[in-house]
Amino acid sequence: SQKIEQNSEALNIQEGKTATLTCNYTNYSPAYLQWYRQDPGRGPVFLLLIRENEKEKRKERLKVTFDTTLKQSLFHITASQPADSATYLCALDAGNNRKLIWGLGTSLAVNP
Amino acid sequence: DAGVIQSPRHEVTEMGQEVTLRCKPISGHNSLFWYRQTMMRGLELLIYFNNNVPIDDSGMPEDRFSAKMPNASFSTLKIQPSEPRDSAVYFCASSFYASGNTGELFFGEGSRLTVL
Repeated sequence: SQKIEQNSEALNIQEGKTATLTCNYTNYSPAYLQWYRQDPGRGPVFLLLIRENEKEKRKERLKVTFDTTLKQSLFHITASQPADSATYLCALDAGNNRKLIWGLGTSLAVNP
Repeated sequence: DAGVIQSPRHEVTEMGQEVTLRCKPISGHNSLFWYRQTMMRGLELLIYFNNNVPIDDSGMPEDRFSAKMPNASFSTLKIQPSEPRDSAVYFCASSFYASGNTGELFFGEGSRLTVL
């Protein structure tokens, strides 16, 4: 069955360092992948989308890569700040019906 | 725009009671989604509408759950009768979908439901 895995353990890093979060998937070939940020008690907020024919996408301090051979996406936050602390979710398209399949998310804590 | 608006933000009810959750999508968006989020299962799609028409309700857990979208600016998710296992955060999201685009989702702040 289709499966998405994100780092289940919380990631703790020091301010200024680069945070790297992983999203792995199996038994699937998504046309695109999305990353969202979720703060406690709030709804997810869209960050970036990357298509299957794109290797890398950047937005300010964020960078997403998509390796369809490894079936993996990496999400990087450079020069991390305490305000980047949140849970980050990846979601894959489920084909032609608008459904997204979601990972459970990875909690990131950036320590000052 | 105020974004996606959900109500109530918190609901505590007793088993067997009817629960109605409400959502106002972003004006101009043509797709609306109801999700349920729990720690164990993450975000699960319950149902989605396109142009007010239900397209896929395969995620609705059972007949106790129903959703309606009477017009482009309002949707409800109803649980009747509610059970303790329905306790979760329910999110409504909207997007503008057109052929060829991927339609990023805009989520509301969620309705946290506790069924005792």
